[in-house]
Amino acid sequence: DSGVTQTPKHLITATGQRVTLRCSPRSGDLSVYWYQQSLDQGLQFLIQYYNGEERAKGNILERFSAQQFPDLHSELNLSSLELGDSALYFCASSPQTVVNTEAFFGQGTRLTVV
Amino acid sequence: GENVEQHPSTLSVQEGDSAVIKCTYSDSASNYFPWYKQELGKRPQLIIDIRSNVGEKKDQRIAVTLNKTAKHFSLHITETQPEDSAVYFCAASKGWAAGNMLTFGGGTRLMVKP
Repeated sequence: DSGVTQTPKHLITATGQRVTLRCSPRSGDLSVYWYQQSLDQGLQFLIQYYNGEERAKGNILERFSAQQFPDLHSELNLSSLELGDSALYFCASSPQTVVNTEAFFGQGTRLTVV
Repeated sequence: GENVEQHPSTLSVQEGDSAVIKCTYSDSASNYFPWYKQELGKRPQLIIDIRSNVGEKKDQRIAVTLNKTAKHFSLHITETQPEDSAVYFCAASKGWAAGNMLTFGGGTRLMVKP
């Protein structure tokens, strides 16, 4: 158990719908990262939050947004869903120090868009 | 941005043999290189990492080497066992200034035949 909790584990929804994925980081970790893993794309960095503020942005679609709340949990919102959005979405957290440290991954949310 | 290429995409070895996975990165500012193992349906888990001020690091049967000049790093697994079968991902990070987020290679599916 990495200490990073993601809910739900599985999500099936229809095209055009909107979903919210939730992540609770390890206790004390200020940074939360979201990654998308699809079959043909590997692990792609989407966005990072640090202590409530957006810190870095990767290949995140405009239909997707995220936020980090004062209790440090994060939510990834996916809207106007398309079939191609079906993927495993991972959240990771790290202590975020000047020296790189391990990123701990949650168990992921498997999103299926039908 | 950073680009990480990983080879081979699949690797099949006999139990007890060695396995080598190679990665190249494009951005000389990258200074942290972790390797993650992902078993089917599970989260990526860190198995070893190396920083840019170190050329080699070992942990029991696993070793990683880094050549900063050539911008490539490799994972070596000796005396492979069936439980080593998984997908392995290399990654690179540019550190705090870039948010410590990881750019992943495409992954290597390692199959260890008993």
